[in-house]
Amino acid sequence: RKEVEQDPGPFNVPEGATVAFNCTYSNSASQSFFWYRQDCRKEPKLLMSVYSSGNEDGRFTAQLNRASQYISLLIRDSKLSDSATYLCVAFNDYKLSFGAGTTVTVRA
Amino acid sequence: GAVVSQHPSWVICKSGTSVKIECRSLDFQATTMFWYRQFPKQSLMLMATSNEGSKATYEQGVEKDKFLINHASLTLSTLTVTSAHPEDSSFYICSATGGGNNQPQHFGDGTRLSIL
Repeated sequence: RKEVEQDPGPFNVPEGATVAFNCTYSNSASQSFFWYRQDCRKEPKLLMSVYSSGNEDGRFTAQLNRASQYISLLIRDSKLSDSATYLCVAFNDYKLSFGAGTTVTVRA
Repeated sequence: GAVVSQHPSWVICKSGTSVKIECRSLDFQATTMFWYRQFPKQSLMLMATSNEGSKATYEQGVEKDKFLINHASLTLSTLTVTSAHPEDSSFYICSATGGGNNQPQHFGDGTRLSIL
């Protein structure tokens, strides 16, 4: 079983819509979690960390549910520039484990 | 912010060629560098972890004689794909951290390797 699993999508949404997706992780000892954004096979870029209490950064909200071992990302008022692949990442000791990514396409 | 430079960004080589990829931390000392590989529509998979001045630790299933890693200084790590074959064609990305469990990893731009 993969350490981090994500719905690959794609999620096709109109501009201004809200889109949300989850990922699950198998290692209960994972210490921290992140969402990364990756454009067109370029390097992943950190979007936000995920905290147990949930956190918000502008139009992006991340939630962590340790009991059920899942992480969510919600994008409000989506923009065309939000079109990308979103990678869910779990950190344990020194190692980052990446999900395969959820593709989001925002259309005009 | 911290910058990691990776070179080259795109390589096309004939089968049997050895290819060296460089990963440099430009404005911080990278005690640990990581090498990842990503096949199309798949997740980044950690290949190996290298600490400056010591041998790299390879993940299960990664051939250390095939993928040679050298981390000779605090700002440079190299990955050499020896005798590359078409199945080695992939996107290779390095990341670097200054050390400690809570230090963020800073990613290079990635190298797209195509073996003909």
